Order: sequence, then structure tokens, then C-alpha cells
Amino acid sequence: DAGVIQSPRHEVTEMGQEVTLRCKPISGHNSLFWYRQTMMRGLELLIYFNNNVPIDDSGMPEDRFSAKMPNASFSTLKIQPSEPRDSAVYFCASSTGQGNTQYFGPGTRLTVL
Amino acid sequence: AQSVSQHNHHVILSEAASLELGCNYSYGGTVNLFWYVQYPGQHLQLLLKYFSGDPLVKGIKGFEAEFIKSKFSFNLRKPSVQWSDTAEYFCAVQGGSYIPTFGRGTSLIVHP
Repeated sequence: DAGVIQSPRHEVTEMGQEVTLRCKPISGHNSLFWYRQTMMRGLELLIYFNNNVPIDDSGMPEDRFSAKMPNASFSTLKIQPSEPRDSAVYFCASSTGQGNTQYFGPGTRLTVL
Repeated sequence: AQSVSQHNHHVILSEAASLELGCNYSYGGTVNLFWYVQYPGQHLQLLLKYFSGDPLVKGIKGFEAEFIKSKFSFNLRKPSVQWSDTAEYFCAVQGGSYIPTFGRGTSLIVHP
């Protein structure tokens, strides 16, 4: 199995630009999580999908952030417009269901100038 | 609501020293507990987990953790660390919400 796949691995953009991060979960996993990791705040859960439906988006910082999961094999996290404080590593993780081990992707390192 | 506290933010050890990283959680019901490791520049990966049964859990690379319910703790241990254990270690608890809550992490540096 290829594991959780994320793209791009690195993204450098200018303030105000739209950023789209992509995630392909492990086949057969029905839960998907988006996290943000920074030195200041550690690992923060942004949103959680179960069977493609957003269950908990209370961690999404503000309206500039949106996430979709149009099917079981693909999810996007979009930031529009991006700001320098959005600079972080964004991880996607998937699992076989609630309460089970999460498998993390390699992350996308986002830098907003 | 569930929460996790990792007491040690930074730990520096020499090779062959023993390691214990503290993890305490707050949740009144049944919990699943995890330790994840993040090697420099890499993603998080599972080190070990406790769902039920023997409270002493053995994981990969010689790590183990003990669930002490009365103390709400799930400390990570390794009798003799190696330089390759240099990494960030995260404790996570999953209770009634079914969404794991992660601690802030402990940065471990092992000097050769």
C-alpha cells in the first residue's frame, strides 16, 4: 500500500493567493483528518471526515479555510486568501474508523510570504 | 472533553541512558491511548497503542508504555536510547468523541 499521499510536499506562495492542498487516503479507510503543525501551537486538528461527510470542523481557524471530500479517495484543504500566519506543515491522516490508529501522510510544508 | 498533557517539552540524553516520557490525560470514561513518533523531517507514525487488556504495551524499536488508570497516565519508556531515537514524541488519547486529542509533543535529542 502506498500509504496516505499528499501533494504538494512544499508550497511557497504570496500573501493573498489561493492555496489548495490535496490528500489521498489509504484505500478502504473511511475516516480522514486534516491537521496543522506549528512550533507555537503544536499539532492541531482542523477537520474530520467520516464516510466523506465533515463531522467536526471546529478546528478550522476561520472562513478563509475550507475542506472538501468529494469521494472516498480524495480530499482538499483550501486557504483563500492565504496569510503569512498560515505558514505551517499540514498533515492529512486516515483510519479505518472512529477510534482506530491514524496513518499520517508526509505533510505539505506551506510558506506564505 | 478529553485533554492530554505531556510534561516534558524537551529532553536531552546520552546514548544508553534510560528514557521515560510523561503523559497524563483527562477523561472520565474508557479511553484508547497512543504514542506516535515523528522523526526529523518525517510524518507521524504509530509507536504503540493501548485499547484494552495488559496495561503494559510493547511497541516498535524497544519502546513500551504502561497504562495506569488510577493515575490517568500512559508514560513511554525505553531502557536504553540510541542516537536514532532523536525525534518528537506525541501522546494521544481518544475517548467518547472518537477523535484523538494529541499532546504538544516532547522533543527528544540523543547525543552519541
